[in-house]
Amino acid sequence: SQKIEQNSEALNIQEGKTATLTCNYTNYSPAYLQWYRQDPGRGPVFLLLIRENEKEKRKERLKVTFDTTLKQSLFHITASQPADSATYLCALKGHNTDKLIFGTGTRLQVFP
Amino acid sequence: DGGITQSPKYLFRKEGQNVTLSCEQNLNHDAMYWYRQDPGQGLRLIYYSQIVNDFQKGDIAEGYSVSREKKESFPLTVTSAQKNPTAFYLCASKTGNTEAFFGQGTRLTVV
Repeated sequence: SQKIEQNSEALNIQEGKTATLTCNYTNYSPAYLQWYRQDPGRGPVFLLLIRENEKEKRKERLKVTFDTTLKQSLFHITASQPADSATYLCALKGHNTDKLIFGTGTRLQVFP
Repeated sequence: DGGITQSPKYLFRKEGQNVTLSCEQNLNHDAMYWYRQDPGQGLRLIYYSQIVNDFQKGDIAEGYSVSREKKESFPLTVTSAQKNPTAFYLCASKTGNTEAFFGQGTRLTVV
Protein backbone atom coordinates (compact mmCIF):
# COMPACT_ATOMS: atom_id res chain seq x y z
CA SER A 1 0.00 0.00 0.00
CA GLN A 2 1.01 3.64 -0.42
CA LYS A 3 3.01 4.93 2.48
CA ILE A 4 4.58 8.26 3.39
CA GLU A 5 7.02 8.34 6.28
CA GLN A 6 8.51 11.24 8.18
CA ASN A 7 10.70 11.20 11.28
CA SER A 8 8.33 10.54 14.15
CA GLU A 9 10.75 11.84 16.73
CA ALA A 10 10.89 15.56 17.30
CA LEU A 11 13.82 17.45 15.87
CA ASN A 12 15.46 19.84 18.35
CA ILE A 13 17.98 22.35 17.03
CA GLN A 14 19.61 25.56 18.14
CA GLU A 15 18.61 28.91 16.72
CA GLY A 16 20.66 29.86 13.66
CA LYS A 17 21.33 26.28 12.58
CA THR A 18 19.83 24.57 9.54
CA ALA A 19 16.95 22.18 10.17
CA THR A 20 16.59 19.25 7.76
CA LEU A 21 13.43 17.18 7.66
CA THR A 22 12.94 14.00 5.64
CA CYS A 23 9.96 12.60 3.74
CA ASN A 24 10.16 9.08 2.29
CA TYR A 25 7.45 7.35 0.28
CA THR A 26 6.79 3.88 -1.10
CA ASN A 27 4.45 2.39 -3.71
CA TYR A 28 3.74 5.82 -5.14
CA SER A 29 4.52 7.79 -8.27
CA PRO A 30 3.70 11.39 -7.34
CA ALA A 31 3.04 14.18 -9.79
CA TYR A 32 4.21 16.59 -7.12
CA LEU A 33 5.11 16.86 -3.46
CA GLN A 34 4.19 19.62 -1.05
CA TRP A 35 5.33 20.76 2.39
CA TYR A 36 3.01 22.29 4.98
CA ARG A 37 3.45 23.82 8.41
CA GLN A 38 0.98 23.09 11.20
CA ASP A 39 0.75 24.91 14.51
CA PRO A 40 -1.04 23.27 17.48
CA GLY A 41 -4.82 23.25 17.14
CA ARG A 42 -4.79 24.77 13.67
CA GLY A 43 -5.04 23.63 10.07
CA PRO A 44 -1.87 23.14 8.00
CA VAL A 45 -0.56 26.03 5.94
CA PHE A 46 1.12 25.50 2.56
CA LEU A 47 4.83 26.29 2.22
CA LEU A 48 6.30 24.85 -0.99
CA LEU A 49 5.42 22.63 -3.96
CA ILE A 50 7.93 20.68 -6.05
CA ARG A 51 7.05 18.74 -9.19
CA GLU A 52 8.36 15.33 -10.20
CA ASN A 53 10.65 16.80 -12.87
CA GLU A 54 12.18 19.35 -10.48
CA LYS A 55 15.19 18.67 -8.28
CA GLU A 56 15.15 21.69 -5.99
CA LYS A 57 12.95 24.64 -5.02
CA ARG A 58 13.74 27.60 -2.81
CA LYS A 59 11.68 30.24 -1.07
CA GLU A 60 13.40 32.67 1.26
CA ARG A 61 14.96 30.51 4.04
CA LEU A 62 13.26 27.33 2.82
CA LYS A 63 14.66 24.77 0.40
CA VAL A 64 13.10 21.54 -0.83
CA THR A 65 14.77 18.76 -2.79
CA PHE A 66 13.03 15.90 -4.54
CA ASP A 67 14.69 12.63 -5.59
CA THR A 68 12.21 10.35 -7.37
CA THR A 69 14.83 7.59 -7.63
CA LEU A 70 15.34 7.49 -3.87
CA LYS A 71 11.64 8.31 -3.34
CA GLN A 72 12.64 11.01 -0.91
CA SER A 73 12.23 14.72 -0.29
CA LEU A 74 14.34 16.83 2.05
CA PHE A 75 13.06 20.07 3.56
CA HIS A 76 15.60 22.57 4.86
CA ILE A 77 15.11 25.68 6.97
CA THR A 78 18.26 27.77 7.10
CA ALA A 79 19.06 30.25 9.87
CA SER A 80 16.28 28.72 11.94
CA GLN A 81 14.38 30.81 14.48
CA PRO A 82 12.23 29.89 17.50
CA ALA A 83 9.22 31.06 15.44
CA ASP A 84 9.91 28.15 13.05
CA SER A 85 8.92 25.71 15.80
CA ALA A 86 5.93 23.74 14.49
CA THR A 87 5.01 20.42 12.93
CA TYR A 88 5.95 20.03 9.27
CA LEU A 89 4.00 17.71 6.99
CA CYS A 90 4.76 16.47 3.51
CA ALA A 91 1.96 15.58 1.06
CA LEU A 92 1.86 13.77 -2.26
CA LYS A 93 -0.53 13.93 -5.19
CA GLY A 94 -0.54 11.32 -7.93
CA HIS A 95 -1.18 11.62 -11.65
CA ASN A 96 -4.74 11.91 -12.99
CA THR A 97 -6.26 12.15 -9.53
CA ASP A 98 -6.93 14.81 -6.92
CA LYS A 99 -6.20 12.38 -4.09
CA LEU A 100 -3.81 14.14 -1.70
CA ILE A 101 -2.19 12.10 1.06
CA PHE A 102 -0.08 13.32 3.96
CA GLY A 103 2.83 11.99 5.93
CA THR A 104 2.92 11.57 9.68
CA GLY A 105 4.63 14.92 10.27
CA THR A 106 7.78 15.90 12.15
CA ARG A 107 7.75 18.29 15.07
CA LEU A 108 10.54 20.86 14.95
CA GLN A 109 11.63 22.70 18.07
CA VAL A 110 14.11 25.57 17.68
CA PHE A 111 15.55 26.77 20.97
CA PRO A 112 17.38 30.06 21.57
CA ASP B 1 -12.56 37.47 2.03
CA GLY B 2 -12.16 34.10 0.35
CA GLY B 3 -11.63 31.12 2.55
CA ILE B 4 -12.72 27.78 3.90
CA THR B 5 -14.88 27.60 7.01
CA GLN B 6 -15.50 24.65 9.30
CA SER B 7 -18.14 24.55 11.98
CA PRO B 8 -18.52 23.99 14.79
CA LYS B 9 -15.07 24.39 16.30
CA TYR B 10 -15.93 21.95 19.13
CA LEU B 11 -18.49 19.17 19.00
CA PHE B 12 -19.58 16.63 21.56
CA ARG B 13 -21.29 13.40 20.59
CA LYS B 14 -23.04 10.83 22.68
CA GLU B 15 -22.46 7.15 22.08
CA GLY B 16 -24.61 5.87 19.18
CA GLN B 17 -25.34 9.31 17.81
CA ASN B 18 -24.67 10.59 14.28
CA VAL B 19 -23.17 14.05 13.94
CA THR B 20 -22.48 16.22 10.90
CA LEU B 21 -19.47 18.50 10.49
CA SER B 22 -19.83 21.45 8.16
CA CYS B 23 -17.28 22.62 5.58
CA GLU B 24 -17.91 25.57 3.26
CA GLN B 25 -15.54 27.27 0.82
CA ASN B 26 -15.95 30.38 -1.32
CA LEU B 27 -12.70 29.92 -3.25
CA ASN B 28 -14.43 28.31 -6.24
CA HIS B 29 -12.27 25.23 -5.75
CA ASP B 30 -13.19 22.00 -7.49
CA ALA B 31 -11.69 19.49 -5.05
CA MET B 32 -12.54 19.13 -1.37
CA TYR B 33 -11.16 16.81 1.30
CA TRP B 34 -11.79 15.52 4.80
CA TYR B 35 -8.93 14.40 7.03
CA ARG B 36 -8.77 13.03 10.52
CA GLN B 37 -5.88 13.82 12.85
CA ASP B 38 -5.24 12.00 16.12
CA PRO B 39 -2.90 13.41 18.80
CA GLY B 40 0.70 13.48 17.63
CA GLN B 41 -0.24 11.95 14.29
CA GLY B 42 -0.37 13.06 10.68
CA LEU B 43 -3.47 13.58 8.54
CA ARG B 44 -5.41 10.53 7.36
CA LEU B 45 -7.71 10.91 4.37
CA ILE B 46 -11.37 10.04 4.99
CA TYR B 47 -13.10 11.13 1.76
CA TYR B 48 -12.40 13.47 -1.12
CA SER B 49 -14.44 14.94 -3.94
CA GLN B 50 -13.11 16.13 -7.28
CA ILE B 51 -16.38 17.51 -8.65
CA VAL B 52 -19.97 18.11 -7.59
CA ASN B 53 -22.07 14.96 -7.06
CA ASP B 54 -18.99 12.74 -6.98
CA PHE B 55 -16.72 11.60 -4.15
CA GLN B 56 -14.22 8.84 -3.41
CA LYS B 57 -13.24 6.96 -0.29
CA GLY B 58 -9.92 7.72 1.28
CA ASP B 59 -7.90 5.42 3.51
CA ILE B 60 -10.24 5.41 6.53
CA ALA B 61 -13.78 5.89 5.17
CA GLU B 62 -15.51 3.28 7.34
CA GLY B 63 -18.04 4.85 9.70
CA TYR B 64 -18.17 8.14 7.78
CA SER B 65 -20.34 9.50 4.97
CA VAL B 66 -20.22 12.63 2.81
CA SER B 67 -22.20 14.46 0.16
CA ARG B 68 -21.27 17.03 -2.46
CA GLU B 69 -24.49 18.56 -3.70
CA LYS B 70 -22.96 22.02 -4.14
CA LYS B 71 -19.49 23.07 -5.17
CA GLU B 72 -19.08 25.17 -2.04
CA SER B 73 -20.12 22.56 0.52
CA PHE B 74 -18.77 19.16 1.59
CA PRO B 75 -20.35 18.03 4.89
CA LEU B 76 -19.02 15.01 6.77
CA THR B 77 -21.28 12.78 8.85
CA VAL B 78 -19.70 10.70 11.57
CA THR B 79 -22.02 7.76 12.06
CA SER B 80 -22.53 5.49 15.04
CA ALA B 81 -20.58 2.84 13.09
CA GLN B 82 -17.38 4.82 13.71
CA LYS B 83 -16.16 3.21 16.91
CA ASN B 84 -13.48 5.71 17.82
CA PRO B 85 -14.58 9.11 16.51
CA THR B 86 -12.79 11.35 18.99
CA ALA B 87 -10.28 13.29 16.88
CA PHE B 88 -9.48 16.59 15.18
CA TYR B 89 -11.20 16.82 11.77
CA LEU B 90 -9.81 19.00 9.01
CA CYS B 91 -11.45 20.03 5.75
CA ALA B 92 -9.45 21.30 2.79
CA SER B 93 -10.03 22.47 -0.76
CA LYS B 94 -7.91 23.09 -3.82
CA THR B 95 -8.10 23.53 -7.56
CA GLY B 96 -5.74 22.19 -10.21
CA ASN B 97 -2.15 21.44 -9.30
CA THR B 98 -1.93 23.99 -6.53
CA GLU B 99 -1.80 24.04 -2.77
CA ALA B 100 -4.61 22.94 -0.50
CA PHE B 101 -6.28 25.45 1.80
CA PHE B 102 -7.43 24.18 5.16
CA GLY B 103 -10.15 25.17 7.55
CA GLN B 104 -9.47 25.69 11.24
CA GLY B 105 -10.72 22.23 12.15
CA THR B 106 -13.45 20.68 14.29
CA ARG B 107 -12.54 18.88 17.49
CA LEU B 108 -15.00 16.05 18.06
CA THR B 109 -15.28 14.37 21.45
CA VAL B 110 -17.43 11.40 22.39
CA VAL B 111 -19.02 11.78 25.84
